This record gives sequence, C-alpha cells and structure tokens, in this order.
Amino acid sequence: NAGVIQTPRHKVTGKGQEATLWCEPISGHSAVFWYRQTIVQGLEFLTYFRNQAPIDDSGMPKERFSAQMPNQSHSTLKIQSTQPQDSAVYLCASSSTNTEVFFGKGTRLTVV
Amino acid sequence: AQKVTQTQTSISVVEKTTVTMDCVYETRDSSYFLFWYKQTASGEIVFLIRQDSYKKENATVGHYSLNFQKPKSSIGLIITATQIEDSAVYFCAMRGAASSGSWQLIFGSGTQLTVMP
Repeated sequence: NAGVIQTPRHKVTGKGQEATLWCEPISGHSAVFWYRQTIVQGLEFLTYFRNQAPIDDSGMPKERFSAQMPNQSHSTLKIQSTQPQDSAVYLCASSSTNTEVFFGKGTRLTVV
Repeated sequence: AQKVTQTQTSISVVEKTTVTMDCVYETRDSSYFLFWYKQTASGEIVFLIRQDSYKKENATVGHYSLNFQKPKSSIGLIITATQIEDSAVYFCAMRGAASSGSWQLIFGSGTQLTVMP
C-alpha cells in the first residue's frame, strides 16, 4: 500500500497561469478529500467526493477552483488564473466509510 | 456547525515525561469520530489514534492514549514516555458518521509539541 499519492510535490506557476494538481487515493477507499494548508488559515477543507461523486465543495473558492474525479483511481484539483494568495500546500486524503482519513504528502504550490 | 478548538499553541516537555494536549469540539451529530494527527517537520500528516463517540472506553495505541469526556465535549491526547522524535504539531480532528453526510474532517488549529533532551 503506497498510501495516497500526490503529484507534483512542488509546483511553481506564474501569476495568471493554470495549475493542475493530481491525487491517487488508496485503492478501495470510497471518499477523497482536498484540503489546503497555510500558516495563516491552517488546514482548510476544500471539497470531497464519495464514490467519485462530488458531495461537498463548500470550501472551494468559487471562481477559479475546480475539482474532478473521473475515475476511482485519481482526482484532480485545478486552479485557473493563479494568484499569489493561492500559494499553499494542497493536501489530498482518502478514507473508507467511518474510518480514519489518510493524507498524501501534499503539493506545495508557489505562485510568483 | 462543527467546530474543533485547541487552545494550547505550544508545549515544551523534557523527554521521557508525559504530556497532555487538550481539545474540545462542537457537533450536533449523535454519532461522530474524533482523531488525533501528527504533522512532522517534513509536513507529512500522520494518523495517530481515533475515538468513536459511542465507545466509553478510552482508545490507546502504543504510547498514545485518549481522555474522552463526552459530557464536556473534550478529547485530550496523552503521550507517555515522550521521545525527541515526538516533536511535531498535533492536530485534533472530528468527522461525522457516514449517515450524517458530514464526512469531511474538521481540524483544530494545532499544538506544537517540543520534546527537549
């Protein structure tokens, strides 16, 4: 079990460019979550999928952020027209029903 | 709305001693799960221990144990025989049962633990 895999581990984008972050959840897990971590805001929930269906995106900035889960083996988080305030560590996590959540190592996004 | 509060920003202890980290939570769910995670210096978030709300017995895993006081909505983490490598940020978190629909983890703000020689 390789755990939750996130790629890339580090990404630098220019202001206004698009960034796509990838996540491969643990095989067999039915739920996939995206979180963002910054010094100021701490760990913020963004969105989650259950059995590939989007369930709750209440934490997603509405205009430039989108997440998809086209199949059970991967999810993507896309940020359009990146801004410096989007710089953060983006964490993907997965879990089975009513169990603990396991996190990937994160993608550090830096917008310059 | 669910909320998790950790009031201790940082704690320093001498190795081989016992430390307790506090956490209180708010929820309207009748069934829920409480967790403690550790974030290492490399940034990795590691699951440590879990308490199911319907269980009266405090969970224990290795040198981690919980002090679950349901009437006080409190879930403290106890680390016994601390080691230098226990130095990290510790997060308390909560999630609802699958039936509640609120599956996402809600985190506290974290407590920085420093274990000194």
